[in-house]
Amino acid sequence: NAGVTQTPKFRVLKTGQSMTLLCAQDMNHEYMYWYRQDPGMGLRLIHYSVGEGTTAKGEVPDGYNVSRLKKQNFLLGLESAAPSQTSVYFCASTASASKNIQYFGAGTRLSVL
Amino acid sequence: GNSVTQMEGPVTLSEEAFLTINCTYTATGYPSLFWYVQYPGEGLQLLLKATKADDKGSNKGFEATYRKETTSFHLEKGSVQVSDSAVYFCALENYGGSQGNLIFGKGTKLSVKP
Repeated sequence: NAGVTQTPKFRVLKTGQSMTLLCAQDMNHEYMYWYRQDPGMGLRLIHYSVGEGTTAKGEVPDGYNVSRLKKQNFLLGLESAAPSQTSVYFCASTASASKNIQYFGAGTRLSVL
Repeated sequence: GNSVTQMEGPVTLSEEAFLTINCTYTATGYPSLFWYVQYPGEGLQLLLKATKADDKGSNKGFEATYRKETTSFHLEKGSVQVSDSAVYFCALENYGGSQGNLIFGKGTKLSVKP
């Protein structure tokens, strides 16, 4: 059972470089989310999507862009990475807002030097 | 706005000790409440949930009761094992919002020694 799959698992970037994190889910979920996890901060919502072709900002969206061209995929992009974006990124999905049980990927550990 | 406050860790216990991790919340309405667990190197997974006042969620020996009068959802386990070592997150649904997202506490790291 794949569930939610994130790629890559680890990445090191230099300041100013760009990259895309991929999240794929095989549960036919409508809602998908990107969170970042920082020490002592818990998880904070970056962007989310309530369906294919739709995206919206969360709590900490600055410096990130997202796309949901296909229902099963949710991409998180960093156009010009900064050291403040060093974090662990988690993708999650849920069937709908009313279902409210979220399923998480294993995370992507990103370091920006 | 809605928020979750949980006790800071780390918490270190001996095997078979009793565990309590405190969680209190601030919210409008009556959102569902959750405990998620994150084992080392893994993503979060749902441990238990409660959807209304006085509900008790339970799983793997863990329990938590939705207390409206004290706005609390404390996690308890009567006898912890080494395999329970993990980070525990209390969360509430973004009740009334359209995002369907969860609002998380900062997490409490539990270490259980043999």
